[in-house]
Amino acid sequence: EDKVVQSPLSLVVHEGDTVTLNCSYEVTNFRSLLWYKQEKKAPTFLFMLTSSGIEKKSGRLSSILDKKELFSILNITATQTGDSAVYLCAPAGGTSYGKLTFGQGTILTVHP
Amino acid sequence: NAGVTQTPKFQVLKTGQSMTLQCAQDMNHEYMSWYRQDPGMGLRLIHYSVGAGITDQGEVPNGYNVSRSTTEDFPLRLLSAAPSQTSVYFCASRSGGSAGTQYFGPGTRLTVL
Repeated sequence: EDKVVQSPLSLVVHEGDTVTLNCSYEVTNFRSLLWYKQEKKAPTFLFMLTSSGIEKKSGRLSSILDKKELFSILNITATQTGDSAVYLCAPAGGTSYGKLTFGQGTILTVHP
Repeated sequence: NAGVTQTPKFQVLKTGQSMTLQCAQDMNHEYMSWYRQDPGMGLRLIHYSVGAGITDQGEVPNGYNVSRSTTEDFPLRLLSAAPSQTSVYFCASRSGGSAGTQYFGPGTRLTVL
């Protein structure tokens, strides 16, 4: 059975702090790993990672994948209150469809 | 492009009632999925489709039916609603198969009394 574990489950920081969110996975026929941000609405796409060791960056957010150790991290530098959200990781695997299995998410709260 | 649209946004049902949640996408995506999201449970896959006429079960399919007669539409039917089906339902579509990005609709909040 496919398994995704995110840690920590919740995190409270102050503006300006740097945070690292972790995602470990076990999926058959791994194909890619997606990160999403969810505020009080539908998840919005952040990154898709397919290759180990290649960092993807978007502003203050960056992410990297380690396919050997089966994990990914999402870094957020200089956090802002607008970064407060649930961050979800979802590896795609299985058949050619690449079914996404979602982790339970990390709840990030950024205080001013 | 409207992206992925869902209707209704909110719905209240009584136990035993049936209804259909609508989902449509205008991005010509082959892959469409339905998820439910419950507090502390993350997103769980109900049913998915890899193209018109092809559907398959996800992780939690019991109590739900789907069909995919066109590329654009993927309705989810609740046959006989139960309080355990109270949840937020998200439809999603995806381009490029396993290497594609998945986009979500805005969600339907369903309450079953």
